[in-house]
Amino acid sequence: DTGVSQNPRHKITKRGQNVTFRCDPISEHNRLYWYRQTLGQGPEFLTYFQNEAQLEKSRLLSDRFSAERPKGSFSTLEIQRTEQGDSAMYLCASSLEGSPLHFGNGTRLTVT
Amino acid sequence: AQSVTQLGSHVSVSEGALVLLRCNYSSSVPPYLFWYVQYPNQGLQLLLKYTTGATLVKGINGFEAEFKKSETSFHLTKPSAHMSDAAEYFCAVSEGAGNNRKLIWGLGTSLAVNP
Repeated sequence: DTGVSQNPRHKITKRGQNVTFRCDPISEHNRLYWYRQTLGQGPEFLTYFQNEAQLEKSRLLSDRFSAERPKGSFSTLEIQRTEQGDSAMYLCASSLEGSPLHFGNGTRLTVT
Repeated sequence: AQSVTQLGSHVSVSEGALVLLRCNYSSSVPPYLFWYVQYPNQGLQLLLKYTTGATLVKGINGFEAEFKKSETSFHLTKPSAHMSDAAEYFCAVSEGAGNNRKLIWGLGTSLAVNP
């Protein structure tokens, strides 16, 4: 069990640029989640997958955000035309159905 | 709808003292409750969980929590604080009956441990 891996750990980008983050879940986990966390707040749910199917997407996720999990393994989260308000820690978690979430160390995005 | 309230955004204790972090929840269905810990620049690590059965739940690092339905509480305790316990602690409730697909989180409590 190598845990949930997220890359990159940090990303600094200029407003208006596109960014993409990657999450590699624990290999046998069929569920994968994306959360966003800003300073002093708890995580906010963004979206989740069961295998390759995206089953729910939060209303927090604007059209500039898209997530994929094409083969039911790793997932990517893309933000287009970044805004300063997108600056946050983006957390990925995975689980088996009925088991607790296992989180990665997150990708910290700074939009300048 | 589910919600979580963590009382006290900052708690400071002396090394060796009792740790008590408070969590109250609201849920329209029997709740599944969790405590997670987050160290700086890291993800969240599960400390313990309550699903069904025994209301006193033991977790890692000497932490435990008691589910009290009458008080809608799930407070986290540790008898003797260690310097390494300094971190951010989050209480969460699972949306829906036993459904872990989405967790509703509290705002977190920052624990400081003084020598």
